[in-house]
Amino acid sequence: TQLLEQSPQFLSIQEGENLTVYCNSSSVFSSLQWYRQEPGEGPVLLVTVVTGGEVKKLKRLTFQFGDARKDSSLHITAAQPGDTGLYLCAGERGSTLGRLYFGRGTQLTVWP
Amino acid sequence: DTGVSQDPRHKITKRGQNVTFRCDPISEHNRLYWYRQTLGQGPEFLTYFQNEAQLEKSRLLSDRFSAERPKGSFSTLEIQRTEQGDSAMYLCASSLVPRLVEAFFGQGTRLTVV
Repeated sequence: TQLLEQSPQFLSIQEGENLTVYCNSSSVFSSLQWYRQEPGEGPVLLVTVVTGGEVKKLKRLTFQFGDARKDSSLHITAAQPGDTGLYLCAGERGSTLGRLYFGRGTQLTVWP
Repeated sequence: DTGVSQDPRHKITKRGQNVTFRCDPISEHNRLYWYRQTLGQGPEFLTYFQNEAQLEKSRLLSDRFSAERPKGSFSTLEIQRTEQGDSAMYLCASSLVPRLVEAFFGQGTRLTVV
């Protein structure tokens, strides 16, 4: 059983479209991170959110941490082919500091 | 380059053989993590070190697996008597305490057991 559930698992869209990826849990996290992973490579950290309700923007990417710190979302505006990749959310829990719990990821494909 | 470095990038081994992977973390980072990722899954935690001390081990880390971090610098992960189910990407990451667990990952070692 995954502690963090990501949806959708796969997303295939045209260049210029907007999209949202969700990361949900019944558990509270002290922090939550989003990573992007290319095939055959390790995940690359995009952002960390720590405060309930926090919103962070990274160019066309907007990340939100839920008020109760149990869920998060990633919104991409005007997607580009270069955004293609596996998007992973990962959370740190106060009871098990030191380890990250990852979701299964959302595989995004953006077609030109 | 000051990123996390893993060696080898790829390893093919026969079932029953032992394999060892190496990870060199970002130099000023005092925490080092090992994760395993199989196809279609997110990374799963295996173990982590703070300096040279191994602070936590997952139940996934059977007694065939051992990790070390002598002198608190590089780390090795050894798998003894490999099984086909060990085939996966083994990821190493490092971070700086007391900051948040913002893990910086290496490129991984892809293990294939045949």
